[in-house]
Amino acid sequence: DIQMTQSPPSLSASVGDRVTITCRAGQSISTFLNWYKQKPGKAPNLLIYAASSLQSGVPSRFRGSGSGTDFTLTITNLQPDDLATYYCQQSYSSPLTFGGGTKLEIK
Amino acid sequence: EVQLLESGGGLVQPGGSLRLSCAASGFSFRDYAMHWVRQAPGKGLEWVSVISGSSASTYYADSVKGRFTVSRDNSKKTLYLQMNSLRAEDTAVYYCAKVFSIAVVTDDAFDFWGQGTMVTVSA
Repeated sequence: DIQMTQSPPSLSASVGDRVTITCRAGQSISTFLNWYKQKPGKAPNLLIYAASSLQSGVPSRFRGSGSGTDFTLTITNLQPDDLATYYCQQSYSSPLTFGGGTKLEIK
Repeated sequence: EVQLLESGGGLVQPGGSLRLSCAASGFSFRDYAMHWVRQAPGKGLEWVSVISGSSASTYYADSVKGRFTVSRDNSKKTLYLQMNSLRAEDTAVYYCAKVFSIAVVTDDAFDFWGQGTMVTVSA
C-alpha cells in the first residue's frame, strides 16, 4: 500500500494569509494526486485533481503542485469559508489511500 | 445536477449484516465506476471498495475483503455495499463517490460524493 503523509496535522491562520499543506507519498505516484476539502459534518469536496488541475467551481485561490512523491496545496487570500480539514489522496494504485488530513483553523 | 443519496445505515450488533444503497441521478450511471469510502468518528478517510461501470471489476481494501461485497444495478442507477460479519471497527460514516472520468476505475479522483450514511456496530 502507498502511504500518504500530510503535514502539518493542523494549522491556524488569519483571513488574507497564504497557507501551504504538504503531502508526501511513500513511492512515486507521478501526478496521481488529488486534494479534497471537508467541512465539519459534510462530505468531502474535490479541489484539485491530477496534482495541479483545478476542479470546476473551485476558486483560483487554491493551487496544487508537485509530482513524484512530494506535493503541495497552497491557499492564498485565506477566507473564513476555508475552515475545514484538507486531505490528499493518491489514485496511482489500489488500494487508494488518503493522507491523515490537515485541519485548518481561522484565527 | 449530479446527486448521490446513501441509505441503509443503522445500528447493528457485532457479527451482523447490513446493506447500504446509493441512489444516483444526474449523470450516465452505467458509464462510471463507483467507490465506497468510509470515515470513522473523528478519524480520516478510508477507501473501502470500487466497482466498474459494467460490474466486471471490483476491488476491496484488505480490511473488508471477504466480508463486504460491492454491486450495482445500472437499470436502477443504484450502488450497493453488502456488509457481513460486521465488527466494531467498521463503525463509520459510509460515503459513495463517483469517479471523475468515464471508463476509469481506480486511477482517478472522486468528483461527487453522497452525504453519507452512518453505520454503528455495537452490542
